[in-house]
Amino acid sequence: GAVVSQHPSWVICKSGTSVKIECRSLDFQATTMFWYRQFPKQSLMLMATSNEGSKATYEQGVEKDKFLINHASLTLSTLTVTSAHPEDSSFYICSASPYRGRDYGYTFGSGTRLTVV
Amino acid sequence: QKEVEQDPGPLSVPEGAIVSLNCTYSNSAFQYFMWYRQYSRKGPELLMYTYSSGNKEDGRFTAQVDKSSKYISLFIRDSQPSDSATYLCAMSASGAGSYQLTFGKGTKLSVIP
Repeated sequence: GAVVSQHPSWVICKSGTSVKIECRSLDFQATTMFWYRQFPKQSLMLMATSNEGSKATYEQGVEKDKFLINHASLTLSTLTVTSAHPEDSSFYICSASPYRGRDYGYTFGSGTRLTVV
Repeated sequence: QKEVEQDPGPLSVPEGAIVSLNCTYSNSAFQYFMWYRQYSRKGPELLMYTYSSGNKEDGRFTAQVDKSSKYISLFIRDSQPSDSATYLCAMSASGAGSYQLTFGKGTKLSVIP
């Protein structure tokens, strides 16, 4: 089945530094990947849609200069949290689908827990 | 009103019980309905999906969609301790560009041995 690998699974960083999170589709190509953020006891909130070879599409209220997304290949998307602050501490999850044009075949990564101190 | 409403629980049941999880929604454009299971500190995994109204059964799991009432359900029969997790409903509108999923907050389920 479709597998999405996300790395690292957890990271602690100092306030003001940047953190990069990788999302890889291991056995399929993904022209589109999605990045979500999940706060404790809250729903997954879509942050941005990552498109291979073009700019990401950000949801309203998400700062594109703070959350840099790069989708340089069909199997890799990265999310960089720049100048991280404690309020950026959250669980970040990516997802991708091997099915072009279908909405339900999404596979999620295992998530990255970011703690900014 | 939020697009998707889901009772966060927590819900605690004895092993072997039938579990009923529900979501309501307001966007009539939603056509695809999914249930995900999320273990602590893990990404969600797809349990079931349904297109439009109707029922779908997979082993101990049954998903129901009632579009007229904007109400979806997930039933778990003969619940097991391994079913203890947070269950998220998710929905999507059909058509090109509608890849984004809208999630409920999730219901935390504990199955007690």
